[in-house]
Amino acid sequence: EAGVTQSPTHLIKTRGQQATLRCSPISGHTSVYWYQQALGLGLQFLLWYDEGEERNRGNFPPRFSGRQFPNYSSELNVNALELEDSALYLCASSLAQYNEQFFGPGTRLTVL
Amino acid sequence: EDQVTQSPEALRLQEGESSSLNCSYTVSGLRGLFWYRQDPGKGPEFLFTLYSAGEEKEKERLKATLTKKESFLHITAPKPEDSATYLCAVQASFNKFYFGSGTKLNVKP
Repeated sequence: EAGVTQSPTHLIKTRGQQATLRCSPISGHTSVYWYQQALGLGLQFLLWYDEGEERNRGNFPPRFSGRQFPNYSSELNVNALELEDSALYLCASSLAQYNEQFFGPGTRLTVL
Repeated sequence: EDQVTQSPEALRLQEGESSSLNCSYTVSGLRGLFWYRQDPGKGPEFLFTLYSAGEEKEKERLKATLTKKESFLHITAPKPEDSATYLCAVQASFNKFYFGSGTKLNVKP
């Protein structure tokens, strides 16, 4: 069974640009979560999508947004990039909202 | 305020030297506690889920336990391949997840 996949692996942008990150959950999983892991910091919860709807978001500004498609894949958009947005962005999926999450390999975003 | 604290931040063990990692939490409406292993530059790998105080789970050299305020990850006779960062996460009300900052384990041969 294929795990959670994310693309691209690495992404380099400059300040003020927009970044789009993509995630495909494990087959049959309907919930998708996004996390930011900055260097030296723990995982910070960004967004949770379930059945195509945004169910919850962490303490991040509105320029962090996303969506979930009918096939349950998801994308994370970060507008007006700032230097401090440089981090590993992790996507996770779960079978249902109260189950354990399985993580993808992450997208390393570098903002210059 | 909901939070998860892991200790120690770093732990160096000799191969075969057993030890424990701690995860203490203060959250409203605990739904579950999860342990993950993370290797550098990779996504966390799921290890265990614990739902209620007194529950225990085992996998190879790892054993996780849960009380009302904390969880322990016991590592018995560790090997160098157990070297990684171990993360604890707590699921609270409204399906919010809070992760600890992790314990970086280094097992020397």
